[in-house]
Amino acid sequence: GESVGLHLPTLSVQEGDNSIINCAYSNSASDYFIWYKQESGKGPQFIIDIRSNMDKRQGQRVTVLLNKTVKHLSLQIAATQPGDSAVYFCAEGHSGNTGKLIFGQGTTLQVKP
Amino acid sequence: NAGVTQTPKFQVLKTGQSMTLQCAQDMNHEYMSWYRQDPGMGLRLIHYSVGAGITDQGEVPNGYNVSRSTTEDFPLRLLSAAPSQTSVYFCASSTPGTGGGETQYFGPGTRLLVL
Repeated sequence: GESVGLHLPTLSVQEGDNSIINCAYSNSASDYFIWYKQESGKGPQFIIDIRSNMDKRQGQRVTVLLNKTVKHLSLQIAATQPGDSAVYFCAEGHSGNTGKLIFGQGTTLQVKP
Repeated sequence: NAGVTQTPKFQVLKTGQSMTLQCAQDMNHEYMSWYRQDPGMGLRLIHYSVGAGITDQGEVPNGYNVSRSTTEDFPLRLLSAAPSQTSVYFCASSTPGTGGGETQYFGPGTRLLVL
């Protein structure tokens, strides 16, 4: 069946270092991928998205990489800050229906001062 | 814009009780969805809607009903609450972006405890 999973449940990094959070997906028909950040007690917050016709997309301090060959997605956060501490989820979907997303389990990012 | 709003923030129910979780958005988004999030887990889709009058089931629809009479509102109904429905419920809305990217905006969540 469909699944979106994360390789590491917890990632601990030093403030100022770069962070890389990984995600594997299994549905080759998915053509839209999103990264969300969720802070404690809050709803998921959109970070960045990428469509399957791209392999890289950059935002402010964040970069998403998509490798369709191995069905792998990653989120890179540059110069990680304490405010980046949260749970990060990847999600996959289809461009024809964005109301229907499949979420991964989540990775907790801990930033050490 | 208030974005996506959800009420109530917290609710305690007894097994067998019914209730409605409210969700509203003021962004004129076509798509709306309900997810549940259990401890240490990602979000699982319950029901979604691609427009007023149109709803469909997600991954875990059993025990929940929805309706979409207006673009703005998408209530989630629990007809007979069960302890297995203890969770945090998130409502989301989205619309196709001009650049081809579509983004779901999430509400703050409703924490439900069923005793």
